[in-house]
Amino acid sequence: AQKVTQAQTEISVVEKEDVTLDCVYETRDTTYYLFWYKQPPSGELVFLIRRNSFDEQNEISGRYSWNFQKSTSSFNFTITASQVVDSAVYFCALVVTSYGKLTFGQGTILTVHP
Amino acid sequence: EAQVTQNPRYLITVTGKKLTVTCSQNMNHEYMSWYRQDPGLGLRQIYYSMNVEVTDKGDVPEGYKVSRKEKRNFPLILESPSPNQTSLYFCASSFRVDTEAFFGQGTRLTVV
Repeated sequence: AQKVTQAQTEISVVEKEDVTLDCVYETRDTTYYLFWYKQPPSGELVFLIRRNSFDEQNEISGRYSWNFQKSTSSFNFTITASQVVDSAVYFCALVVTSYGKLTFGQGTILTVHP
Repeated sequence: EAQVTQNPRYLITVTGKKLTVTCSQNMNHEYMSWYRQDPGLGLRQIYYSMNVEVTDKGDVPEGYKVSRKEKRNFPLILESPSPNQTSLYFCASSFRVDTEAFFGQGTRLTVV
């Protein structure tokens, strides 16, 4: 079985604060992929990043960065100097290639106040 | 333009009246899937398809049917909708299960 847990249901920050969204996953397989998606208030789902289980390098893209740690089964997402436009629901997801199922976490609602 | 198109965007129906939500992609993707989104539960996979004529159950398949007769289309069928199927539904497609998914705009279904 595979599982994704996003323990933070809602986070509220003030603009320019840094914020980290936690994602913990469970799988017994050694080959898997992790994703983050963003759902802004308009409702569409937007891909942010994909990481495979053999690549533990952290990634930075502008104000966004991701920390993948297999030892703790975590794939956390940090937004530096948050902006109001970052307000959205963020989903972490896991797929084990051999199974074909894509499992999402419950999502974290991020609100950035001006 | 590369896209996943779902129809309708909004639907209000009555209990027991069969309905179909259509999903079509123009990217020649092999993998397609359906999700429902409910507050506090995130996105839960209903059914997925690895290729034409290959479908399998996700985590919440009860009350739903799908078919994949052509690569581009993956309709979701509710044979006898019930109020607990009131939800926001998303269709998605990707080259493979482990690549970036492209989502439709969503279908908000209300069953009364």
